[in-house]
Amino acid sequence: NAGVTQTPKFQVLKTGQSMTLQCAQDMNHEYMSWYRQDPGMGLRLIHYSVGAGITDQGEVPNGYNVSRSTTEDFPLRLLSAAPSQTSVYFCASSWRGGEETQYFGPGTRLLVL
Amino acid sequence: AQTVTQSQPEMSVQEAETVTLSCTYDTSESDYYLFWYKQPPSRQMILVIRQEAYKQQNATENRFSVNFQKAAKSFSLKISDSQLGDAAMYFCAYRSANTGNQFYFGTGTSLTVIP
Repeated sequence: NAGVTQTPKFQVLKTGQSMTLQCAQDMNHEYMSWYRQDPGMGLRLIHYSVGAGITDQGEVPNGYNVSRSTTEDFPLRLLSAAPSQTSVYFCASSWRGGEETQYFGPGTRLLVL
Repeated sequence: AQTVTQSQPEMSVQEAETVTLSCTYDTSESDYYLFWYKQPPSRQMILVIRQEAYKQQNATENRFSVNFQKAAKSFSLKISDSQLGDAAMYFCAYRSANTGNQFYFGTGTSLTVIP
């Protein structure tokens, strides 16, 4: 199993550009989430999904879109990048909620100029 | 929303000694789960230990153990016989047993291990 994979590992964008951060898992997990990590802020939830076709907003959803057309994939779209979106982005998945731990991808470092 | 507080931004410990990292949380729920994650310089998030709130017994994983005080809403991590490889950022996290998916993370504690 590859676990949770994320691409790209690093990306530089100009303000106003759009892009999609890819996330895939091969563990047949129902739950998938996107977090951003900023210094001194811990990890903050952007969007999450409890299954294919079902998504919901987390703590900091503005400026981001998600969709979940398959169990395996959960892409995060930046519609019009802003410098405030400079961060490290983590995708995570788990079998279900509750006691199940989340498995994290390696992260994507995004720099918006 | 639940809040998780880690009041120690940085901690240090001598190799082979014991260190305790603090975590408190705020919730009105009675059923939930608590986690400690380790993030080394590679940035990979690694689960260290997990505690179910309905269990009174403190979780233990080799050199890692927790002190779970439900009434005080406290969940500290003790690392015994500290090793150089333990140097990392440590995050405390809360997950409701009812609402399911959302994890709430603390702001992290950076642990330095001194040889």
